[in-house]
Amino acid sequence: GAVVSQHPSRVICKSGTSVKIECRSLDFQATTMFWYRQFPKQSLMLMATSNEGSKATYEQGVEKDKFLINHASLTLSTLTVTSAHPEDSSFYICSALGEGTDTEAFFGQGTRLTVV
Amino acid sequence: GQNIDQPTEMTATEGAIVQINCTYQTSGFNGLFWYQQHAGEAPTFLSYNVLDGLEEKGRFSSFLSRSKGYSYLLLKELQMKDSASYLCAALDSNYQLIWGAGTKLIIKP
Repeated sequence: GAVVSQHPSRVICKSGTSVKIECRSLDFQATTMFWYRQFPKQSLMLMATSNEGSKATYEQGVEKDKFLINHASLTLSTLTVTSAHPEDSSFYICSALGEGTDTEAFFGQGTRLTVV
Repeated sequence: GQNIDQPTEMTATEGAIVQINCTYQTSGFNGLFWYQQHAGEAPTFLSYNVLDGLEEKGRFSSFLSRSKGYSYLLLKELQMKDSASYLCAALDSNYQLIWGAGTKLIIKP
């Protein structure tokens, strides 16, 4: 089946620094990628939807200047958490959607971010 | 290796009950998630289990047995809108999500 690779799986960073998370579709072209954030025992929260070559669409309440999303190619999207703070510590997950309206989204393995 | 197994496809009748099973083998365990995904849409969170037992949320219930590496999602009073893919995912000791391939549920009138 289709594979989406997300790196890194875990990252610890200091407050004030920036962290980049990569999401790659390995064997298909992802026209759309989703970025989610999940808190323990809570719902998966959609942060933004990105389409290749265009600006990401952010969900209400998500700071676009803090969570920079770049979908520069059909196989790669990146999420950069800028000037990270401890409250940004969370589990971030990406998923990629191929072409067509009835395709499924395939998920990355997730990234656990801890800001100290 | 790490693995999640769930049936590829299931068919059920409107108004009935269906149980979607999921077995997992992971390096450590920090919980199991169920998601619903309609074609062409983003998935939606259904449940999270980390302790053994059954958790009920309206028409949907999720069960976990850690000793058996087994979970199921129970859907009652099936409606046509429940036709979707249901994804099982386990969180391993490194907090990596291990995903199942999804079960496509087809509801017939």
